[in-house]
Amino acid sequence: DTGVSQDPRHKITKRGQNVTFRCDPISEHNRLYWYRQTLGQGPEFLTYFQNEAQLEKSRLLSDRFSAERPKGSFSTLEIQRTEQGDSAMYLCASSLGAGGGNEQFFGPGTRLTVL
Amino acid sequence: AQKVTQAQTEISVVEKEDVTLDCVYETRDTTYYLFWYKQPPSGELVFLIRRNSFDEQNEISGRYSWNFQKSTSSFNFTITASQVVDSAVYFCARMNSGYSTLTFGKGTMLLVSP
Repeated sequence: DTGVSQDPRHKITKRGQNVTFRCDPISEHNRLYWYRQTLGQGPEFLTYFQNEAQLEKSRLLSDRFSAERPKGSFSTLEIQRTEQGDSAMYLCASSLGAGGGNEQFFGPGTRLTVL
Repeated sequence: AQKVTQAQTEISVVEKEDVTLDCVYETRDTTYYLFWYKQPPSGELVFLIRRNSFDEQNEISGRYSWNFQKSTSSFNFTITASQVVDSAVYFCARMNSGYSTLTFGKGTMLLVSP
């Protein structure tokens, strides 16, 4: 399977703990995106990378959130000192370059529950 | 913020009925892209269609069709002869002027019963 993969699929943690999620994009895609989806809402943009460069961050991405894509391949999203409001589905997507003609392909998501 | 509005929160139909999902978008850009994605119960977003602002031709793909009208800023999606497997949440989205990120509507949950 050459689609976008995410790990873990589910994560339950206690408030105050740190969590890290991983995303592996489609191999030839140089753009990688992170979105967050809460119940009953559409996905909301968090940040994106072109190769290893983080080009844009949403206001939703507080100081407790950090994302990396060290070698321009996989990416990690870390949340420090988790809060109950961080409970959501975290979606990763990738695309082949820039432009509206390059649709984003999504992974299955990581569902985070903060107790 | 330039929003995407899907006014229908949930639609229930019986199999074989036709159903239209509405999408209205806001934009200040001359060039933009619109998308529809399907999110089945498994959770993974599945790309359905992309439309650029210069192409107002309607598109048909099997039982799916899309009606793009710039005059009313709408990009509606119709499923003909719906099937139970069509049950999912459908999202309309717009790509911003920087051609990077997607802005999604809140989605419409479609329930097709046998």
